[in-house]
Amino acid sequence: EAGVTQFPSHSVIEKGQTVTLRCDPISGHDNLYWYRRVMGKEIKFLLHFVKESKQDESGMPNNRFLAERTGGTYSTLKVQPAELEDSGVYFCASSPSVETQYFGPGTRLLVL
Amino acid sequence: GNSVTQMEGPVTLSEEAFLTINCTYTATGYPSLFWYVQYPGEGLQLLLKATKADDKGSNKGFEATYRKETTSFHLEKGSVQVSDSAVYFCALTSNSGYSTLTFGKGTMLLVSP
Repeated sequence: EAGVTQFPSHSVIEKGQTVTLRCDPISGHDNLYWYRRVMGKEIKFLLHFVKESKQDESGMPNNRFLAERTGGTYSTLKVQPAELEDSGVYFCASSPSVETQYFGPGTRLLVL
Repeated sequence: GNSVTQMEGPVTLSEEAFLTINCTYTATGYPSLFWYVQYPGEGLQLLLKATKADDKGSNKGFEATYRKETTSFHLEKGSVQVSDSAVYFCALTSNSGYSTLTFGKGTMLLVSP
């Protein structure tokens, strides 16, 4: 069974540009989560989808971040325009229920 | 709100040494507790978990016991290996509604031969 995959693995962009991160959850997992780790800080929750609906987006830092989950399958997280403080590692996780979350390898974003 | 505090790293040990990584938490109700591990170049993997007080989670020689009286979930291993070198994250989920994870800052473990 394939695990959670994320694309790209790394992204380097300039301040003001747009970046779109993609997450493909494990097949059949209705729950999809986005988290972010800024260097030296905790991994922080961003938002949670149940199928295609946003269950909880209380962790989204501001309106420069937009997350979607098309048809309840893969999800994208767009940052527009990117700022320096957006640099970090963005993790995606999926789960079939409220039990264990399975994480992807992360996308390392660097905003210059 | 919920929070997790882990000991600062890096923790540097020789192979076969005993490992303890401390983790304490603050949460309302009865959270579930987790240890995740991130090996170099890889994503987070669940190492072990405990869902109620006095439960012991164990996996790959690692153990952690859910201590409600001390709000702790310390990670231990009797004899570490070089391959255990990684970053270890303590985390919790609340018992209400959906299971959003709250993480500690992570502790890097370096094991030398």
